[in-house]
Amino acid sequence: QKEVEQNSGPLSVPEGAIASLNCTYSDRVSQSFFWYRQYSGKSPELIMSIYSNGDKEDGRFTAQLNKASQYVSLLIRDSQPSDSATYLCAWGTGANNLFFGTGTRLTVIP
Amino acid sequence: ETGVTQSPTHLIKTRGQQVTLRCSSQSGHNTVSWYQQALGQGPQFIFQYYREEENGRGNFPPRFSGLQFPNYSSELNVNALELDDSALYLCASSLAHQHNGEQYFGPGTRLTVT
Repeated sequence: QKEVEQNSGPLSVPEGAIASLNCTYSDRVSQSFFWYRQYSGKSPELIMSIYSNGDKEDGRFTAQLNKASQYVSLLIRDSQPSDSATYLCAWGTGANNLFFGTGTRLTVIP
Repeated sequence: ETGVTQSPTHLIKTRGQQVTLRCSSQSGHNTVSWYQQALGQGPQFIFQYYREEENGRGNFPPRFSGLQFPNYSSELNVNALELDDSALYLCASSLAHQHNGEQYFGPGTRLTVT
């Protein structure tokens, strides 16, 4: 069974700190990995995608992928109250569907 | 905004009824995937449509069915509604055979079954 496990949270960090979100997946054929942000009552918004081992940076966000360990993470630097949301990791085979974790709720405390 | 639209925004139905949800994909995208998101859970894949045909299906019963039209818009139909069908229904738009597999979600339809 294809599974995605996320650190359960909830996670609280002070404003300006680094928030670290982690995800492990069970299927070694995974090719694509994604982080979505979901505000309460809204739909998921794609914020990062990563396909190769290593780090990928986009502004305050850095995604890290380690395929050997089946592990993907998201770091949010200089966390802001507007980053408070549920973060969903997802993986796909590049074909049809995405498999999602249950999400980690992040609260950034001013 | 992703350019993906869904209607209606909210819907209340009674157990046993049927419902149709609609989705218009982002301009240039030819593939629509449907997901069900229960409260506190991640989205679960229902099925995907490409070239007006079902192109993959998750673990959902046959009473969940769909259509895709020549303009790439799509419908999700659910028959014989059950209380557990209450959820946020999301459609996601993508470009088939794009290697990165990125999918962009619409705002969702909140379905409540009473």
